[in-house]
Amino acid sequence: DAKTTQPNSMESNEEEPVHLPCNHSTISGTDYIHWYRQLPSQGPEYVIHGLTSNVNNRMASLAIAEDRKSSTLILHRATLRDAAVYYCILRDPLRGSGAGSYQLTFGKGTKLSVIP
Amino acid sequence: ETGVTQSPTHLIKTRGQQVTLRCSSQSGHNTVSWYQQALGQGPQFIFQYYREEENGRGNFPPRFSGLQFPNYSSELNVNALELDDSALYLCASSLGGGEGTQYFGPGTRLTVL
Repeated sequence: DAKTTQPNSMESNEEEPVHLPCNHSTISGTDYIHWYRQLPSQGPEYVIHGLTSNVNNRMASLAIAEDRKSSTLILHRATLRDAAVYYCILRDPLRGSGAGSYQLTFGKGTKLSVIP
Repeated sequence: ETGVTQSPTHLIKTRGQQVTLRCSSQSGHNTVSWYQQALGQGPQFIFQYYREEENGRGNFPPRFSGLQFPNYSSELNVNALELDDSALYLCASSLGGGEGTQYFGPGTRLTVL
C-alpha cells in the first residue's frame, strides 16, 4: 500500500501558482520523497525528489516540512500542459534483493485541472 | 541520448492467449522495472530486472514473467491472458536496482477480449 495521502483532485487557474500537498506521517529518516506526474495517455514523468531540504529544479519546487511528515510540490506558474495526475511517492525496498533496490508504490495521486 | 521506448503501442488479444511486450531502456541504465496500470488507478509494480536477473517481484502470479537481455532491454510475458489483464503496461529504466530515478516509457495498452 502507498505510504502517502494526497487530495483526489485540485483546480488551478492558468499562470497562478499551485501547491500540491502530500502527507507521509510514517516516513523514516532515510526515505526520499519523490514526485511524478502523469499526463493523459502518457507514462509517468519524474518531477523532483528530496530528503530534508527544500529542492528546486526547472519543473517545480519541493517544500519539505521540518518534521518530514508532509511535503508540498509547488508549480510556480501553472500552464495548461501541467494538467495531470501528480503522485507523491516514498519508495519501497524490494523484498529479497540486495540493498539499494527499490520499487515505486503509487497511490491514486492528485488530479490537477488547470483552468484557462 | 534516447529515452525509454516500448512496443507495441497497442495490442488486442483474446482470453487464454499469450503476449510479449518489449522495452528498451535509456542509454546507460542497467535496471528495468515493469508496472501495470488499470484504468483510473496508479501503476502497480510487477517486477524488476537488474543485470539480467529478477531483482524483486510484486503481487503478481507466475504467469507474468520477464527477461532482461545483455543490452539491458527487457520483455514482459503474460500467459493465459484474463480479462482483468487489460491495462496499460509501463516499463521504467534506472541505474542500480532502482536506486536511481526511474524513467518511464509511454506504455503498451493491452486489451483482452
